[in-house]
Amino acid sequence: DGGITQSPKYLFRKEGQNVTLSCEQNLNHDAMYWYRQDPGQGLRLIYYSQIVNDFQKGDIAEGYSVSREKKESFPLTVTSAQKNPTAFYLCASSPTGGASHGYTFGSGTRLTVV
Amino acid sequence: AQSVTQLDSQVPVFEEAPVELRCNYSSSVSVYLFWYVQYPNQGLQLLLKYLSGSTLVKGINGFEAEFNKSQTSFHLRKPSVHISDTAEYFCAVSDRSPNNNDMRFGAGTRLTVKP
Repeated sequence: DGGITQSPKYLFRKEGQNVTLSCEQNLNHDAMYWYRQDPGQGLRLIYYSQIVNDFQKGDIAEGYSVSREKKESFPLTVTSAQKNPTAFYLCASSPTGGASHGYTFGSGTRLTVV
Repeated sequence: AQSVTQLDSQVPVFEEAPVELRCNYSSSVSVYLFWYVQYPNQGLQLLLKYLSGSTLVKGINGFEAEFNKSQTSFHLRKPSVHISDTAEYFCAVSDRSPNNNDMRFGAGTRLTVKP
């Protein structure tokens, strides 16, 4: 079955460490997205990519970095510059050509700073 | 740019009662509208979407929503809820530009169905 796989499901980070969250899709979608979810704040866009080797900052990109070397993969690195990284992170994808298809979401990674 | 306001952060209801989750949007252009559901510790799943045509849209799990252009609303309804409908619900909006993939989400409404 086609879908989006996020790993790991739970991740613990020590202060000052960088961590990388994985997102892989086999839907042949061109566009991919990373969102951060905090209680009561909905989804906030971190980064998005509409094509391989290209990506743009979203609303809260500071302290995060991404790469898009393959169509199927869009990993997110949470750097030590992100002061409050504890949150639920969601990856999504969609075909290009407009948003009428909606997004397909992964099952998320819960990151906790210890 | 588009934005979405979900008018209720929490909605408690009893099992088998009807429910309405309210969503208003703001946009200077024509839009697509979506409702997603999120169960605990999971991703979002598409419930239904309005693209064009009939303003009453039916989705999965017995949910439906009505697009009201004059009131810029897209409220979600279910005539009789089940315990299993307990989840968080997100309204989302996107403009209709062919090359636009940007989608804006509301803050979410937590629906709790009590026995």
